[in-house]
Amino acid sequence: GIQVEQSPPDLILQEGANSTLRCNFSDSVNNLQWFHQNPWGQLINLFYIPSGTKQNGRLSATTVATERYSLLYISSSQTTDSGVYFCAVRDIGSRLTFGEGTQLTVNP
Amino acid sequence: KAGVTQTPRYLIKTRGQQVTLSCSPISGHRSVSWYQQTPGQGLQFLFEYFSETQRNKGNFPGRFSGRQFSNSRSEMNVSTLELGDSALYLCASSLGWRGGSTDTQYFGPGTRLTVL
Repeated sequence: GIQVEQSPPDLILQEGANSTLRCNFSDSVNNLQWFHQNPWGQLINLFYIPSGTKQNGRLSATTVATERYSLLYISSSQTTDSGVYFCAVRDIGSRLTFGEGTQLTVNP
Repeated sequence: KAGVTQTPRYLIKTRGQQVTLSCSPISGHRSVSWYQQTPGQGLQFLFEYFSETQRNKGNFPGRFSGRQFSNSRSEMNVSTLELGDSALYLCASSLGWRGGSTDTQYFGPGTRLTVL
């Protein structure tokens, strides 16, 4: 199956800083999603982005499918951005294969 | 539209017991997938149901089973619970038609199962 690697595993920022999270995948995909897992465990959809660039407020994402990576950009980070960010790609059928996540901590 | 709902939110069981978790998808969604999240193994796919049929299955023992009803609600059952089954169980729904943005999966809040 597809392998998904995320980096960095941990990231600590001061409020207001910008950050870039990376997701590498081992095979071509036609479905890639970014999620934010809040402290209560719920996975919040951020982007559906199998290719191209999308922006939503302070967050944006770019997927370069031909080079098998995706980037999530967080600008002007806030403490509420803290949590774990997951990249997931559709593997067999509708199965999502997740990376191990990036634990983001934003300090005030 | 209401989001994906899961019940119960928290559950404590003892080894050897069985448990049933429920998931109600977003209205109009026909695909329901289940995932297990543990600190050691991360997020792992259990199975997917589409139109009451299991369409895909992950690498879990037969103690883990599921079903889907005609209204797309789904249940998963774990029999003969083991300590290692303690986890957050997440359910996701989608329209179920593969390809395109209709494939986007939306997750419920999860059921946190503790096995003592």
